[in-house]
Amino acid sequence: GQNIDQPTEMTATEGAIVQINCTYQTSGFNGLFWYQQHAGEAPTFLSYNVLDGLEEKGRFSSFLSRSKGYSYLLLKELQMKDSASYLCAVMDSNYQLIWGAGTKLIIKP
Amino acid sequence: SQTIHQWPATLVQPVGSPLSLECTVEGTSNPNLYWYRQAAGRGLQLLFYSVGIGQISSEVPQNLSASRPQDRQFILSSKKLLLSDSGFYLCACRSRDRDTGELFFGEGSRLTVL
Repeated sequence: GQNIDQPTEMTATEGAIVQINCTYQTSGFNGLFWYQQHAGEAPTFLSYNVLDGLEEKGRFSSFLSRSKGYSYLLLKELQMKDSASYLCAVMDSNYQLIWGAGTKLIIKP
Repeated sequence: SQTIHQWPATLVQPVGSPLSLECTVEGTSNPNLYWYRQAAGRGLQLLFYSVGIGQISSEVPQNLSASRPQDRQFILSSKKLLLSDSGFYLCACRSRDRDTGELFFGEGSRLTVL
């Protein structure tokens, strides 16, 4: 079966760095996505990785290793507004998105 | 850029009543459209997707149905709601013009069935 694993919850301190991991087992691979979802709101797109390596976008970076079935989202200089759930999703061979359950990130002052 | 409008935002319905959620898309043509449901603290569950007018694929057997009467309109319906239908419903769109293929989501509709 297809599976996406990510931690349920993480806690970090304002101004610090946090890494959210995602491992996947899917039938085929056509890219990996990270989304941010604030409580009660719709997910918003953060990043897309289809080749191995690091993609950087301001305070957020996303890394992919296809051979290991592994990705992480790195958030730097954490701000209180970064408190949200972070969803990992993989596009399989049928171009359908397989979603993880999300990681709830709690930022403390 | 594309925008997705979804309504109503919130609704409370009794068990056995009908449901209609509507989604419209602007800024793109012939998109792929999706209905997802998200239970509290859970991931996104794909309910239906559509690659064109009148073309609906169902991912999960249930008492819900979907229709796409126009290119940029997607409707989620039920004739008789169950308690288990409560959740956060999200309409999403994927433009065929974008290489990355990311989904854009509507604002969501929170349904409580009592």
